[in-house]
This record gives sequence, C-alpha cells and structure tokens, in this order.
Amino acid sequence: QVQLVESGGGVVQPGGSLRLSCAASGVTFSMYGMHWVRQAPGKGLEWVALIQYDGSRRYHADSVKGRFTISRDISRNTLYLQMDSLRVEDTAMYYCAKDRISIIENWGQGTMLTVSS
Amino acid sequence: SYVLTQPPSVSVAPGQTARITCGGKNIGSKSVHWHQQKPGQAPVLVFYDDDSDRPPGVLERFSGSNSGNTATLTISRVEAGDEADYYCQVWDSTSDHVVFGGGTKLTV
Repeated sequence: QVQLVESGGGVVQPGGSLRLSCAASGVTFSMYGMHWVRQAPGKGLEWVALIQYDGSRRYHADSVKGRFTISRDISRNTLYLQMDSLRVEDTAMYYCAKDRISIIENWGQGTMLTVSS
Repeated sequence: SYVLTQPPSVSVAPGQTARITCGGKNIGSKSVHWHQQKPGQAPVLVFYDDDSDRPPGVLERFSGSNSGNTATLTISRVEAGDEADYYCQVWDSTSDHVVFGGGTKLTV
C-alpha cells in the first residue's frame, strides 16, 4: 500500500524560505514521477510541480517558477520542495502525490504552510 | 494555458444519479481523471482516463465519459457518503502542466 507522508510545513515570514519533504513507502519510488499540489484555505486544488521518475525533467507552475524547486532523493525515497521568496499567497496545504502516466494516482495527507508577518 | 470549467455545485437526492461536468477545449482528445475530496481530508482518485477505469476499492457506482468539449463524472445511486468536492484533472502537453478544474461541491 502506497504511503506518502509530508513534513516541513510551518509559519514563515514573507520573503523567507522553507523546504518540504515527502517520504514514500510501499512503492518502488524510482519508477514513478512525483507531484506537489497545493490548496489554499477554502480554495481548489492547484498543481505546483512534477519531477520525472529519474529526476531528468522537472516542471513547475508559472506561479512558482523561479521561486520553488522540486527534487528527489531516490536513495532516501524522499521528495522535496524547496520554496524561496515566499509570499502570503503561497499559504496553503501542500500535498505530495504519486504519478502514473500523468494520472495523480495517490495522495499524501498534506503539510500546512502559512506565510505571514 | 488550458482551462477546465466545472459547475460550482451540484445537488442530488439520495438514490438518484449525479452528473458532474468538466468543460475544456477539445477535452475529448485528452485523458481526464477525477478526484474526490471530503471535508478535512486529502483528495482521492476515484476515476481515471476516459474509459471505465476505477482505482482498486472504488465502487462501480462511479463512471466517466468524455467527448467533444465536455467530460462527465457520473455517480449512480448516490449516497450521503458521496457528499464531497470533485475535481477533474488533465495533463496539458502544450504547457507540460497538470491542470485541475475549479471543483464541484456535490450536495446530497
């Protein structure tokens, strides 16, 4: 059974940085692409980033391009999201998710980020 | 960028059939996937592709169709436990981005 456990959320001031992690188990991590998806309070889902199974390609939403970077450590079965130059509008629940041929197939429970002064 | 449009809300009586639509330009040429999110919970994939594919454990009451500019998630014999937000999702190969619809709140 696939388990995705996010961590690293918290409260950060505007302009600050934070790194989110997502530990994967129950899956051959090196075989699948992985996503980050966020959801602002009371709002819908917003895709943030995708990294291919081998890390060879990364894609980022326009709203975070140049500020956020998705990465993965296959040896640790862990996905990361490095977030810099944070803005108030980045406040959201951040979910990691496993990809299968462009289907977001499995979701973690999320970690909350609040950007506030 | 590619846009998916969903009605904000759909209301249906228990035991009836709910149909949630997802509109997009020529969406019939894309694979459309559906996610269910109950209050306070993470989303869950409930239907994928535009064929009759459901993830393991998802009830046969969930089905989908896709043609032209509209994809539809159909939930038959609706139960109170189906009350949730539903999101359609595609991969836009033009932008190399995942796109979600705005979500539809199903009220039973």
